[in-house]
Amino acid sequence: AQRVTQPEKLLSVFKGAPVELKCNYSYSGSPELFWYVQYSRQRLQLLLRHISRESIKGFTADLNKGETSFHLKKPFAQEEDSAMYYCALSVLTGTASKLTFGTGTRLQVTL
Amino acid sequence: DVKVTQSSRYLVKRTGEKVFLECVQDMDHENMFWYRQDPGLGLRLIYFSYDVKMKEKGDIPEGYSVSREKKERFSLILESASTNQTSMYLCASSFLSRRWGGKLFFGSGTQLSVL
Repeated sequence: AQRVTQPEKLLSVFKGAPVELKCNYSYSGSPELFWYVQYSRQRLQLLLRHISRESIKGFTADLNKGETSFHLKKPFAQEEDSAMYYCALSVLTGTASKLTFGTGTRLQVTL
Repeated sequence: DVKVTQSSRYLVKRTGEKVFLECVQDMDHENMFWYRQDPGLGLRLIYFSYDVKMKEKGDIPEGYSVSREKKERFSLILESASTNQTSMYLCASSFLSRRWGGKLFFGSGTQLSVL
């Protein structure tokens, strides 16, 4: 069965410090991975997807199939990055694709 | 902009009551989902639907049922509410697999408290 692991419940960093939110997965198929973010009092929303190889709000994430990881990184944290971050794995069932989420990591950026 | 609307932001119910959570989307999405969000447990899929009147169990379907009579509306039903169903419930929608790009559109959530 598929599984997504986010080992840290809380990550606290200073403004301007580098950020790395860890995500590991287990899946027998070809993985499609995503990061979702939930800012305070806002809806959960897609941040980025591995297939796009994009940088959103300064965040990047590289899929490492050898280490089965998809860590989210940003070189310099900003206060507005404080939020709940979820790593998610897309699983194709016979009828639809669905997302399996990790337990989430709260990022706290302090001055 | 896609709108996924959940009918209630907060609900308080008593143990044993039948509870209906409603979700409506306006983007003509084929797929709709119900998740519950609990601290330390993340989001867990309860049920999803890929077409009208079609449904599939997610990871934690026990104690829940769903209804999708119209494409835009997906209802979650707690047949007999229990205290361990106190949670934040999130509805989401998306296009079919070949179009979705992994993007779910979420509602703002319903915080259900069962006393």
